[in-house]
Amino acid sequence: QVQLVQSGAEVKKPGASVKVSCKASGYTFTSYDINWVRQATGQGLEWMGWMNPNSGNTGYAQKFQGRVTMTRNTSISTAYMELSSLRSEDTAVYYCARARVKGGFGELAPYYWGQGTLVTVSS
Amino acid sequence: QSVLTQPPSASGTPGQRVTISCSGSSSNIGSNYVYWYQQLPGTAPKLLIYRNNQRPSGVPDRFSGSKSGTSASLAISGLRSEDEADYYCAAWDDSLSGQVFGTGTKVTVL
Repeated sequence: QVQLVQSGAEVKKPGASVKVSCKASGYTFTSYDINWVRQATGQGLEWMGWMNPNSGNTGYAQKFQGRVTMTRNTSISTAYMELSSLRSEDTAVYYCARARVKGGFGELAPYYWGQGTLVTVSS
Repeated sequence: QSVLTQPPSASGTPGQRVTISCSGSSSNIGSNYVYWYQQLPGTAPKLLIYRNNQRPSGVPDRFSGSKSGTSASLAISGLRSEDEADYYCAAWDDSLSGQVFGTGTKVTVL
């Protein structure tokens, strides 16, 4: 079965960076796009961007451009999301989520989700 | 800020039908598929509806989706206590070149 297992909770100081990992299993990692979505406590879902694990191509939400980097290591079927220049407003649960099928952007929406990684930014 | 607008709350008694709306624009709902998610407290979202009105296997047929123009709706019929959750719509936005989520609707079973 498809599984996405994310790295553990992180506590970071303002200005630092955080790198969250997402290890995929149960399918061919390079065949399906990966989204990253975050959710602050009590708030809604916020899409951060996507990555094609085969080509490494990425697309980032305008809000995060310049601060987020999505990468992958195909040899271990793992995707990464790094967010820099952290501020308190970045405190949230970060999810990786796989697209349902291969297809265009209209099919990118998440289907399988990781368990989430809590990132806390505090001085 | 979300570009897809949902009512903040909806409620019903067990067995009733509840409908949640999702209002967007020509660049998102008007030209792309709509998805619906259910999020129970403390858990990751779960896909309920894809391609406007399709259910993944395992999702009860009590959940149904529809789309008309730049708006979409999720209907829950035969409301059950376990349906108490937050619900989000989503779609690709051609103008933003990104996925957008709705503001979210909290469903309460009275």
